[in-house]
Amino acid sequence: SYELTQPPSVSVSPRQPASITCSGDNLGDKYASWYQQKPGQSPVLVIYQDTKRPSGIPERFSGSNSGNTATLTISGTQTMDEADYYCQAWDSSTAVFGGGTKLTVL
Amino acid sequence: QVQLVESGGGVVQPGRSLRLSCAASGFTFSPYAMHWVRQAPGKGLEWVAVISSDGSDSYFADSVKGRFTISRDNSKNTLYVQMNNLRLEDTAVYYCAKASVGVASGGAFDIWGQGTMVTVSS
Repeated sequence: SYELTQPPSVSVSPRQPASITCSGDNLGDKYASWYQQKPGQSPVLVIYQDTKRPSGIPERFSGSNSGNTATLTISGTQTMDEADYYCQAWDSSTAVFGGGTKLTVL
Repeated sequence: QVQLVESGGGVVQPGRSLRLSCAASGFTFSPYAMHWVRQAPGKGLEWVAVISSDGSDSYFADSVKGRFTISRDNSKNTLYVQMNNLRLEDTAVYYCAKASVGVASGGAFDIWGQGTMVTVSS
């Protein structure tokens, strides 16, 4: 079965850029989406179709996808961005989530 | 406002059944595929099932195939999942999520409900 691999944790200082990677076989041939989940809350879509931001998502969130790796980048990270982040892609008719990355802003 | 509200969760014994519902409001329900996604306590997201906009197509995760069925009533703007032969490992918060497309495969999960907890315990 298809797998997406994320680092368990990433730390970043406020106002610095943060990057979270998501790796999978030929992931660049698929569309990647990213979801933010804060403690006790439901997930929120922050990036879809590799690079697109839904309405209401700040411009500091951006995405890329090439080769075997999709990347979520947060420029000028804010304390409010501290959350778990999940990548997601489709493998045929199965939706696959990465294991999640805990972003700590300190 | 755009909203998905799940209901039907609770505590159930292994081997028993449970049906969850997800009521949609604030957007046009019928053109979009719908998903169930679950999250075990302290764990990550796990996709469970999807149904196409017209209900003609559905897919399931291997972990629930043959035990769970998904359905929808577009006249009631409601999504369902029937969970049979429940196992301890089915314990999780179950979220319904709207797809950004109408077909059962592809797209992103652009609206999420607040989730309903299912606990399988003897």
